[in-house]
Amino acid sequence: TQLLEQSPQFLSIQEGENLTVYCNSSSVFSSLQWYRQEPGEGPVLLVTVVTGGEVKKLKRLTFQFGDARKDSSLHITAAQPGDTGLYLCAGTRGKTSYDKVIFGPGTSLSVIP
Amino acid sequence: GAGVSQSPRYKVAKRGQDVALRCDPISGHVSLFWYQQALGQGPEFLTYFQNEAQLDKSGLPSDRFFAERPEGSVSTLKIQRTQQEDSAVYLCASSFAGTRSLPGPQHFGDGTRLSIL
Repeated sequence: TQLLEQSPQFLSIQEGENLTVYCNSSSVFSSLQWYRQEPGEGPVLLVTVVTGGEVKKLKRLTFQFGDARKDSSLHITAAQPGDTGLYLCAGTRGKTSYDKVIFGPGTSLSVIP
Repeated sequence: GAGVSQSPRYKVAKRGQDVALRCDPISGHVSLFWYQQALGQGPEFLTYFQNEAQLDKSGLPSDRFFAERPEGSVSTLKIQRTQQEDSAVYLCASSFAGTRSLPGPQHFGDGTRLSIL
């Protein structure tokens, strides 16, 4: 069973549309990270959220950490073809300088011009 | 460049052969991670090094998998007697140590795509 679930698994939208992808767990996380991965490349970190209820914005991307620190969402406004990729959420549960990062299965986003 | 470098990018081996995958982390990064990523899935943790010490190897799927980082810099992931289910992309990531409340951001290499025939 996946510790982190992501939905939807696949998403295909037209350029200019808005979208939200979700990351959910039954476990509490001390921090959650969002990555974007393009084919043939490694994941690239977009943001880290650590406080319950925290909202961070990165240009057209808005990230929210749930109040209970069990879930997170990523909202993209006016999607562009360059947003195409695999969006991964990843969480850590410990409070030490090292903690195993657990990845979700990803949401594959395709933005059609 | 200044990023994490992995080699080879692609590796094809016959079932039963041994393979070695290399990771050059970002200079000065204390932490180094190995992940296995199956097609269409998120990365699965394999093992973690802090400098030359392997602090967590709980994700290694069997004793055929072995990782080392003898001088606290370059790391090698070795798979012995490869099997078809070992086919995947193997990702390496490095980071600075981080703090008690916030892990250092992980910087990933582009991975080695391993295909076992």
